Amino acid sequence: GEDVEQSLFLSVREGDSSVINCTYTDSSSTYLYWYKQEPGAGLQLLTYIFSNMDMKQDQRLTVLLNKKDKHLSLRIADTQTGDSAIYFCAESISGYSTLTFGKGTMLLVSP
Amino acid sequence: NAGVMQNPRHLVRRRGQEARLRCSPMKGHSHVYWYRQLPEEGLKFMVYLQKENIIDESGMPKERFSAEFPKEGPSILRIQQVVRGDSAAYFCASSPSLFSGRPYEQYFGPGTRLTVT
Repeated sequence: GEDVEQSLFLSVREGDSSVINCTYTDSSSTYLYWYKQEPGAGLQLLTYIFSNMDMKQDQRLTVLLNKKDKHLSLRIADTQTGDSAIYFCAESISGYSTLTFGKGTMLLVSP
Repeated sequence: NAGVMQNPRHLVRRRGQEARLRCSPMKGHSHVYWYRQLPEEGLKFMVYLQKENIIDESGMPKERFSAEFPKEGPSILRIQQVVRGDSAAYFCASSPSLFSGRPYEQYFGPGTRLTVT
């Protein structure tokens, strides 16, 4: 199976909170990332968390990590139509190692 | 501070031709990664380079694909004798050196979309 798994699609209304989930299998993962990709564009690094942390908050973004269950989530508060994009979860083992990506979750925000 | 730059943004090649994709890392970054994204798929790692060195090429197909990061100039991903299955978006990422204190941050370019006809 895939090393990193995500649900493929999420639809929310503007102003609601969005929660995007991700599971990973490599217990030696040290860094876990969230990237955002808009149509036809590259990937934008949103946030990341070290495996020794449980939570990280950055403005409207909250990352939760459950290391025991190998579960990562990204919560976007007050979701806006501009947040519509594909969100990728990724893991790496060390600072210089390569990233292993999930297939991405398409977030659709309706007015 | 310019981000990661890739060119061309779009490239069309006929089967059997060569494709050359270029990547200029962010200023001050010494590590370059190439990833490939097939339609409706996540990104798959291909190769990781530092200046004049290939560090990890475990994701590169064994034939037709090569990469370099010379002392001067951009990193090049070269695909010889392209086939239709090579059609994909190719992304380059760069990260700063260990001495920056943040070597784990990879920043991506806009990608090159290769179409093989």
